[in-house]
Amino acid sequence: NAGVMQNPRHLVRRRGQEARLRCSPMKGHSHVYWYRQLPEEGLKFMVYLQKENIIDESGMPKERFSAEFPKEGPSILRIQQVVRGDSAAYFCASSPTGRGSPLHFGNGTRLTVT
Amino acid sequence: GQQLNQSPQSMFIQEGEDVSMNCTSSSIFNTWLWYKQDPGEGPVLLIALYKAGELTSNGRLTAQFGITRKDSFLNISASIPSDVGIYFCAGQEYGGATNKLIFGTGTLLAVQP
Repeated sequence: NAGVMQNPRHLVRRRGQEARLRCSPMKGHSHVYWYRQLPEEGLKFMVYLQKENIIDESGMPKERFSAEFPKEGPSILRIQQVVRGDSAAYFCASSPTGRGSPLHFGNGTRLTVT
Repeated sequence: GQQLNQSPQSMFIQEGEDVSMNCTSSSIFNTWLWYKQDPGEGPVLLIALYKAGELTSNGRLTAQFGITRKDSFLNISASIPSDVGIYFCAGQEYGGATNKLIFGTGTLLAVQP
């Protein structure tokens, strides 16, 4: 049973470029979450999506960051015009339902902005 | 933003020793979860707690959901080298239009053979 799949595992971008991070949830899971982790810190919530809907984006920066979870295909976290402060590990998680079911995480995408 | 206080920050123990770590919050959570993260990997779910006062075991791991719903502890008995990693508690908020985890600051566990 495949877990949460994220790609790429590592992504290097120059300042000003765009970064696209992909996440395929576990089979049977229709709820997707994105978290960001800075070095030696815990994970911080960014956004919660269901198919074609953003449910909670209270953790998303107001500018340059967007997320989608289309009817077909993976969820995408997009960061436009990246800056050095965007360098972090970005984790995707999924759950079968939205109410109280535990979140299962992927292995993350490590973004480095040079 | 909301934060969970997790302690201790780090532990260095000998193989075979028991370990205890805990997490406190100023807010009430519906669910408490404990995750382990290895370097370069994502967090792996260890134990989920759903009711205040609940005590749950998973092999050598035991966790409890505090009666006030504002705290939880995790015990590891008879530690082994593969227990090395960072342990995170997480409080889960759900209801209305949200379902999110608030993570603790983590406990780094090192086990010497």
